[in-house]
Formats: sequence, structure tokens, C-alpha cells
Amino acid sequence: NAGVTQTPKFQVLKTGQSMTLQCAQDMNHEYMSWYRQDPGMGLRLIHYSVGAGITDQGEVPNGYNVSRSTTEDFPLRLLSAAPSQTSVYFCASSRLPGLAGEGNEQFFGPGTRLTVL
Amino acid sequence: SQQGEEDPQALSIQEGENATMNCSYKTSINNLQWYRQNSGRGLVHLILIRSNEREKHSGRLRVTLDTSKKSSSLLITASRAADTASYFCATPSQGGKLIFGQGTELSVKP
Repeated sequence: NAGVTQTPKFQVLKTGQSMTLQCAQDMNHEYMSWYRQDPGMGLRLIHYSVGAGITDQGEVPNGYNVSRSTTEDFPLRLLSAAPSQTSVYFCASSRLPGLAGEGNEQFFGPGTRLTVL
Repeated sequence: SQQGEEDPQALSIQEGENATMNCSYKTSINNLQWYRQNSGRGLVHLILIRSNEREKHSGRLRVTLDTSKKSSSLLITASRAADTASYFCATPSQGGKLIFGQGTELSVKP
């Protein structure tokens, strides 16, 4: 199993450009999510999905779109890049949490380092 | 807003010493997880403790959970230089979301 894969690993954009960060998992996980990580801010949830066709907003969704047409893929789109979106982006996947306290251990991709000039 | 907050933000110790990191959270949970992140890499799951557990061990890791104080601690015993990393606690929120704290940056000096 490849686990969670992300492409590209590095990207430089100019302000106003759009792009899509790709994320794929081969573990048949229902739950997928996108985080951004900034110095001193920890990980902040951007968007998440509990299954194909279902997405929802996290803590910092503005400026980002997602879709979930298949179980495997969860792309993140930057509509019009801004310098404030310079960050490291992580995709993660997991099973859905159980009702009796079983946790959803998340598996992370290697990250995409994005710079917006 | 952050659900989990780690303390201290940074910790520097010598090899062989124990390292203790704390996490506080705000709302009731049914489990709490700890993750590790090596520099420039994705997070890796370390251990999960359920709300009906008070203590859990995994190798050199010991996690405690005090639901009355809404806090958890991660103890790494006999630390090694390879333990140098950032450590995050994460708590579940509605819809299956995991909310991460800001992390503790651990440096273990040889």
C-alpha cells in the first residue's frame, strides 16, 4: 500500500494564480481531510470529507475548495492564491470513528510546501 | 479555536532523561490521540487513549488521561536523540474531525 500520497511536494505560485493540490489514499478510508501548518499555529483544519460526495468546512476554509468524487481522491483547490496561503499543506485519511470511543487514527501524507509570491 | 493545547511549547533535555508533555482540552471527549512529527515530515500516530482509560503504555511511551481536569500527558522515558520531534495531541470533534493542538517541540541532546 502506498498510504496517503500528495503531489506536488513543492510549489511556487504568483498572487492570483489558481492550482490544485492532489491527495490520494489506497486504504479505502471514508474520512479525508486537509490541514495547513504554519509556524506557531499547529495544524488547522481546512476542509474534510466523510465519504464520496460529502464535504464540509473546517476551521480555515476561506480561499479553498474541495470535492470528493471518489473514495480515493480528495483534491484541494486554491481559487486565487494569496501570500497568506503560503504554508505546508497536509492531507490525511482515516476510518470513520466508532461510537464507543474507537478513535480514527489518521494517516498523513508527506505534505506540500506552497509559497505564494 | 484550538481544542487541545500543549505545554510546554518547547522542551530541551539530555539523552537518557525523561520528557513529559501536557495537553489540555476544552470539551468532553471519547478519546485523545498523540502524534509525532519529524522535521519536514507528515504526522505519525503514536497512541490513542479512550475516555474510560486512565493510563496507557506503548514501549517507552506512557500516556495518562484525566477527564475531570480535561488534561493528558505524554511521558517518553529514557529519551534518545532520535526522539527529537514535535509532539501533538488531538481530540475528536463533531463529524469525525480531529482538532490538533499547537504542539511541543522536543529536542534531545546527545
